Formats: sequence, structure tokens, C-alpha cells
Amino acid sequence: GAVVSQHPSWVICKSGTSVKIECRSLDFQATTMFWYRQFPKQSLMLMATSNEGSKATYEQGVEKDKFLINHASLTLSTLTVTSAHPEDSSFYICSARDSTGLAPSNEQFFGPGTRLTVL
Amino acid sequence: EDQVTQSPEALRLQEGESSSLNCSYTVSGLRGLFWYRQDPGKGPEFLFTLYSAGEEKEKERLKATLTKKESFLHITAPKPEDSATYLCAVQAGAAGNKLTFGGGTRVLVKP
Repeated sequence: GAVVSQHPSWVICKSGTSVKIECRSLDFQATTMFWYRQFPKQSLMLMATSNEGSKATYEQGVEKDKFLINHASLTLSTLTVTSAHPEDSSFYICSARDSTGLAPSNEQFFGPGTRLTVL
Repeated sequence: EDQVTQSPEALRLQEGESSSLNCSYTVSGLRGLFWYRQDPGKGPEFLFTLYSAGEEKEKERLKATLTKKESFLHITAPKPEDSATYLCAVQAGAAGNKLTFGGGTRVLVKP
């Protein structure tokens, strides 16, 4: 149980284009999901907290107009990187918190990550 | 501001050579300390959650302990398949469900 998937697993795009990344909780409902970014040989940095049915909360320094987050259902959150540039190339990882009460409420389950390369 | 520091940054072990990883933290109101394992190009895999000083948890060759200032992840008689980056993260009272991660310790176990 507690499986989180991400799609795509990797994507290459041209500078200036937009890329959408999906995060799904497969066997549980998640009212809250989190988006992280990880640069090579560095740890995970939280970008934003995604709340089902409401606006996402962004961490300081993260541009909300560049990283659009939509959490339209209890099992799906999407991150859209708009007008991507080479400096946005990174490993993007989502996590989800089980809101069904079957797991401790503060535990997060992570997706496999999406490798974004912007040319 | 919550801070998490992991040491060492990298650790090379011979198979069977036990060792410990350190995670030092400074938070206001610890709600939980988490250990994850991350393999290259993959998302973190949950290992343990510790909630209060004195708590210990074990899983196969791994044992996690917690004090009021730090946590240790002990690897007993490691095998090459234990090679990975081990991440420590904290959840503090004022931050809700947000996790603050340390820099990680890259462990390489040679046969």
C-alpha cells in the first residue's frame, strides 16, 4: 500500500516550453501533496505544498507563476513548469500524505521522481 | 529556522564493517524525525519515524535511535545492497506537515 506514482519519469524539452508533471496516489487519498526539487548530489528542497481544492502554498523564493500547481482531486496533483529554462533542469519529486487515517498522519510517501532536462 | 545536518557526507565501508550515520537537528517542537533511503535516480524510500528521545527502531541491518539533539542510523554488518544515500528529515510543530531534509550521507559498501 501507500504507492505514489509520477508521470513522466523523464522529459526533455526546449527552452521556453511548458512541461506538466503528474503525481498520483494510487491506493490512498491525499488531501495534501508536496513538491520537491533535487539538484545533483544535493538534498531535497521543498518547493510547495499542494492542497486539494485550494491554492498551493509556496516556499520562499519559489515563483508561483513559474511553477503552477493544481490539486484537482484527492489522488492527483500536477506541477507545470512554465517557460522552462536550462536552470530549471532538475529532479522533481512529489510526496503525498495519507488522509484516510490508515497511516500515521505525518508520514509522507514519495514518488519515483521526474528528471527534467531543458535544452 | 529548522536545521538538519547530516554527517559524514560520504562513507565507504567494507562489507561487514558496521558504522553509524549522524543527523543533528535544531527545531522548535519536534513532531517527528524521519529516515529515508534514496537510490540514484529514484525517490526516497521510507525507513523509520522516531517521535521522542530514547526511541529506537530496527529493520534488518538498520537501527535508528533518537536523542533530544540528534539521531543515529546504525548499519550492522552492511552488504553491498545497502549502498545508497540515507536522508534524515524533521517535522516541527510550527511547520505543519512540512519536512526539512538534511544533506544526506552517501554510503558505499564494497564487497
